Amino acid sequence: TQLLEQSPQFLSIQEGENLTVYCNSSSVFSSLQWYRQEPGEGPVLLVTVVTGGEVKKLKRLTFQFGDARKDSSLHITAAQPGDTGLYLCAGDPGNQFYFGTGTSLTVIP
Amino acid sequence: EAQVTQNPRYLITVTGKKLTVTCSQNMNHEYMSWYRQDPGLGLRQIYYSMNVEVTDKGDVPEGYKVSRKEKRNFPLILESPSPNQTSLYFCASSSNLFGYDSPLHFGNGTRLTVT
Repeated sequence: TQLLEQSPQFLSIQEGENLTVYCNSSSVFSSLQWYRQEPGEGPVLLVTVVTGGEVKKLKRLTFQFGDARKDSSLHITAAQPGDTGLYLCAGDPGNQFYFGTGTSLTVIP
Repeated sequence: EAQVTQNPRYLITVTGKKLTVTCSQNMNHEYMSWYRQDPGLGLRQIYYSMNVEVTDKGDVPEGYKVSRKEKRNFPLILESPSPNQTSLYFCASSSNLFGYDSPLHFGNGTRLTVT
């Protein structure tokens, strides 16, 4: 059983489309992080959300932390081929750091 | 340049032959960790270390050992590798376990194949 479930697991879209990736848990997190991983490299931090209901924007990426601090979403507007990669949410519910199952995104030119 | 360095990048070995994957960070981070990444399972933590001489088991520690004799180094040891340890391994470090301003910094990974 995964503590952090992400959906969808795979996503293939055309350039210019919008998409949303979800990260869900039954546990409460003090904060959640989102990472992006490109082939052959380690994950790189995109953002940390801390407050329930918080929304953060990073250019075309919008991150939201659920009010109950059990879930988060990542929305990408007008996806570009450079957005292709594996997106991972991660957090510590109080005892250990966990990663989500990951969403593999492919943006087709 | 701040970085986490893992070696080797690729390793093919046979069942039972002891191996060590090295990890070194130059950021004076206290927290270091090892993960394995498998399709459909995401990143799973093997071991972590809060500081020198302090290590603890993660989710999947069986078959692995670690040591933290110096702050910068955190080697992963497979005493008797088996084919189910074939995976992509990542070392990571952070200034503390988890915090708003303490992201995990990852190495570039070690792809291990055990035949």
